[in-house]
Amino acid sequence: LAKTTQPISMDSYEGQEVNITCSHNNIATNDYITWYQQFPSQGPRFIIQGYKTKVTNEVASLFIPADRKSSTLSLPRVSLSDTAVYYCLVGPGGSQGNLIFGKGTKLSVKP
Amino acid sequence: DSGVTQTPKHLITATGQRVTLRCSPRSGDLSVYWYQQSLDQGLQFLIQYYNGEERAKGNILERFSAQQFPDLHSELNLSSLELGDSALYFCASSTPEGDPSTDTQYFGPGTRLTVL
Repeated sequence: LAKTTQPISMDSYEGQEVNITCSHNNIATNDYITWYQQFPSQGPRFIIQGYKTKVTNEVASLFIPADRKSSTLSLPRVSLSDTAVYYCLVGPGGSQGNLIFGKGTKLSVKP
Repeated sequence: DSGVTQTPKHLITATGQRVTLRCSPRSGDLSVYWYQQSLDQGLQFLIQYYNGEERAKGNILERFSAQQFPDLHSELNLSSLELGDSALYFCASSTPEGDPSTDTQYFGPGTRLTVL
């Protein structure tokens, strides 16, 4: 599975938009990009998944450039409850293989 | 609530003992995955079952084993426990629908295992 690189931590304030970028230079043609959120002592929660261009749901947006070597998770107007670890994963579809989690990005939202 | 349930929530035991963790997948999901999360290793995939059959194996120790039953619930058995086995154990489930863009793994709340 493609290796991903993302910032270890990020700080933000309530109401701001947060963009977390993930690099995946070795992404394969059939790989999808998936983001999970994890709160302390809870299981990871699926946020969004995409293959190319832009995907948006009620929680976040995912921007994927044409070369697919990176992706950006965008969280609009974050709140204190968005403080969590965010994982970027790349692989052949969410359930077509085991998920390989990296260190993730610890997002801290301050008042 | 993901729809995946795990029991027990907490488990405290001694070294050398054996424990069984249980997972009930979301209704209709055929795949069950087990993950271990420790402070130093992060989230690691252990094993996957699909409709009762082992599908994939990750970094699972020989002291650990799992199975998926006809009703699709799964159990993870950990034996000869060591201090280093203390961790959060998560179960996830999914149902491949033929479209990779909609395949997602849903995680349970986890079982926190403490080995003393």
